[in-house]
Amino acid sequence: NAGVTQTPKFQVLKTGQSMTLQCAQDMNHNSMYWYRQDPGMGLRLIYYSASEGTTDKGEVPNGYNVSRLNKREFSLRLESAAPSQTSVYFCASSETRPTQYFGPGTRLTVL
Amino acid sequence: DAKTTQPPSMDCAEGRAANLPCNHSTISGNEYVYWYRQIHSQGPQYIIHGLKNNETNEMASLIITEDRKSSTLILPHATLRDTAVYYCIVRPYSGSARQLTFGSGTQLTVLP
Repeated sequence: NAGVTQTPKFQVLKTGQSMTLQCAQDMNHNSMYWYRQDPGMGLRLIYYSASEGTTDKGEVPNGYNVSRLNKREFSLRLESAAPSQTSVYFCASSETRPTQYFGPGTRLTVL
Repeated sequence: DAKTTQPPSMDCAEGRAANLPCNHSTISGNEYVYWYRQIHSQGPQYIIHGLKNNETNEMASLIITEDRKSSTLILPHATLRDTAVYYCIVRPYSGSARQLTFGSGTQLTVLP
């Protein structure tokens, strides 16, 4: 039981490049989330998916798109990366919504 | 969601109990108290939650006062690996899927 897994662990992009962050969970949870955490700040919700087939914007969705591929997988795409998107990205999943289980994070640097 | 107040930092000797307080004087009747922690560079980790009764699991105990305006997370035998930022969050149990609001938390340092 791996819980929530994220790939890649680290990524460096140039401004304007695109990439997709992958997230998968093996706990059969309905809800999945993408957060970003900037240095010295709390987590901010980018997008979430309450159930398979649905996605909704969170607090900071601009510059991102998401896909809930199936119940297990929820991906986050940066179409044209900007330096302001340098951050640590965490994926989470939950069944009972306040009890969220987080992945190890993806550390993204945009030059 | 109710606002929470936690001390910014605490130290604890290894092997001793770590008692982390949280004030949530504006908590509503349907709101639960949740505790998470974030070890440096890792994703937040769920620890425990409760409504009004004391709760215990394999990681910690949660003591909620009778008036529910404050709570204490207890790590009974702290180890160096418990060094982390601990977050107290007050949220309804159900409701729309939305973000958890992590405040500034308490930096717990377990000393050898």
